[in-house]
Amino acid sequence: GAGVSQSPSNKVTEKGKDVELRCDPISGHTALYWYRQSLGQGLEFLIYFQGNSAPDKSGLPSDRFSAERTGGSVSTLTIQRTQQEDSAVYLCASSLSSGGAREQFFGPGTRLTVL
Amino acid sequence: QQQVKQSPQSLIVQKGGISIINCAYENTAFDYFPWYQQFPGKGPALLIAIRPDVSEKKEGRFTISFNKSAKQFSLHIMDSQPGDSATYFCAATSGTYKYIFGTGTRLKVLA
Repeated sequence: GAGVSQSPSNKVTEKGKDVELRCDPISGHTALYWYRQSLGQGLEFLIYFQGNSAPDKSGLPSDRFSAERTGGSVSTLTIQRTQQEDSAVYLCASSLSSGGAREQFFGPGTRLTVL
Repeated sequence: QQQVKQSPQSLIVQKGGISIINCAYENTAFDYFPWYQQFPGKGPALLIAIRPDVSEKKEGRFTISFNKSAKQFSLHIMDSQPGDSATYFCAATSGTYKYIFGTGTRLKVLA
């Protein structure tokens, strides 16, 4: 089956605009994760979904960031009033369920550039 | 205590050589340690993983060595090939959903 897909692959926006990033997880994967990867940095955890619920939003850097998941499938990460420091690659991953032994499968990411 | 420290930041190895990447952690509750490989423009992909009840795990040319007392683990790539050139991330988790990732090592294998 298909892997995790993300769209768009690249997004260039102007400071102050809102952006939406989309993630389609692997079919049947109940857990979904968003990460941010900045240049030279590791993967920064943003939010975790189990089904449509987000029990851990602790990694969202500010209230400009929000995410939702519908139908236990597609997820959207929204960044409002984008700032230049939001420029990064946003990665989505999914797994069969939560738990340390559950391999997380990553999408190719969305590269966001805020001018 | 939640950090995973990874070194080196970058590594250049001759074809056929051994690439070694090291990670250290503090949280003794961590019980699963995966390594991810990421090629440019792609998402990370699981390469190999280990649990702390074994000291070594080998899959082909890739080996994880684990030192529980020192709270360190390392990835060894034997007979390194130019196709191994990528960024490698170690990670750790304590049986929950939250992976703590290292900062990554950019490996370049010279032909």
